[in-house]
Amino acid sequence: DAKTTQPPSMDCAEGRAANLPCNHSTISGNEYVYWYRQIHSQGPQYIIHGLKNNETNEMASLIITEDRKSSTLILPHATLRDTAVYYCIVRPSPKGSSNTGKLIFGQGTTLQVKP
Amino acid sequence: ETGVTQTPRHLVMGMTNKKSLKCEQHLGHNAMYWYKQSAKKPLELMFVYSLEERVENNSVPSRFSPECPNSSHLFLHLHTLQPEDSALYLCASSQDALYEQYFGPGTRLTVT
Repeated sequence: DAKTTQPPSMDCAEGRAANLPCNHSTISGNEYVYWYRQIHSQGPQYIIHGLKNNETNEMASLIITEDRKSSTLILPHATLRDTAVYYCIVRPSPKGSSNTGKLIFGQGTTLQVKP
Repeated sequence: ETGVTQTPRHLVMGMTNKKSLKCEQHLGHNAMYWYKQSAKKPLELMFVYSLEERVENNSVPSRFSPECPNSSHLFLHLHTLQPEDSALYLCASSQDALYEQYFGPGTRLTVT
């Protein structure tokens, strides 16, 4: 399984865009990039995922570099409620009978949104 | 509200007790998961069920015993736990193994 590297912590001013980077240089061609976040004392929350194209939903945008070795999660207008640990996860290949849907969580990035 | 509920939310038990954690999903999903989150450690996958069949046991000690009676319910039976088993236990579900997972709020377990 490809591993990911994220900065341990970041600060962002309320109302500004939060850009969270993730390196996944060993990602293979059919592995997806997933982002989850975990607000203190709650279960993780799915945010967004992508394969090679940039993706956007009501929560965030995901920018994946052309070589797919890194990605950036963008929260366009961060609020205090976006303070959380953000996890970048490379999903095991969906092909093959061995895929059980396992998510491998790292330490993530603790994002602190400040007033 | 993610559509995944867990009970109890908090549990304190002695090392000789037997207790069970319950998870229920109201999303019509076919896969369910148990994760453990210890203090200052990443989430660790414990078990995966797909269509009520256990498809992964991530080297979990036998004092943790999962049960999936149907696709909407998942239990984790606990017996003779150790203090180091104190953690947040999270349940998740997904449409199947290929899709994003939705997590419950977790059960905060303390073993005394």
